[in-house]
Amino acid sequence: EAAVTQSPRSKVAVTGGKVTLSCHQTNNHDYMYWYRQDTGHGLRLIHYSYVADSTEKGDIPDGYKASRPSQENFSLILELASLSQTAVYFCASSPDWGSSYEQYFGPGTRLTVL
Amino acid sequence: AQKVTQTQTSISVVEKTTVTMDCVYETRDSSYFLFWYKQTASGEIVFLIRQDSYKKENATVGHYSLNFQKPKSSIGLIITATQIEDSAVYFCAMRGDSNYQLIWGSGTKLIIKP
Repeated sequence: EAAVTQSPRSKVAVTGGKVTLSCHQTNNHDYMYWYRQDTGHGLRLIHYSYVADSTEKGDIPDGYKASRPSQENFSLILELASLSQTAVYFCASSPDWGSSYEQYFGPGTRLTVL
Repeated sequence: AQKVTQTQTSISVVEKTTVTMDCVYETRDSSYFLFWYKQTASGEIVFLIRQDSYKKENATVGHYSLNFQKPKSSIGLIITATQIEDSAVYFCAMRGDSNYQLIWGSGTKLIIKP
């Protein structure tokens, strides 16, 4: 029944390597988001998308790219992973950009960059 | 600038009692939405309850209710008859009409003791 899934759930990457995090939703939502959570902190928005083939920058886009090839899929790409990108990454979807609609979250991906 | 502040980093209460978690927000928007989310120990993030700024009545869902004090820019989360499984980190978040981004607080860790 999980409507937002993420893969992988955990990943160890080397500094300078390329990392791709994937998100798939079956909510039929137009909006999708990528957040980063650092230990003991809230969520920070990296990128979001409101339609396929289009992405927008959030609060902390530097060092990240995003791709939305279809309504259901949204990827986060780290072209050159760095130690500072070690964090847990959450994908979310919503039927509208904010408005009064809540966001539905995936289980998260724990990324460790060594 | 918009901001959400949760000053309580951790709260511990005995099971079956009532707990209140505080949240203060800053916004210049005349219309905005306030949300509370729960993050379990497994990392799962779940939407709990929402308050629309134009509504005077406090929102209630199950054993969750809100104490919305608009003049004080405050939105407290009240959990009655707490259960062990309520142990989690609770995040307050806000979206204003001018920004459309969800602004998150840093979270309050709730520990329910038997």
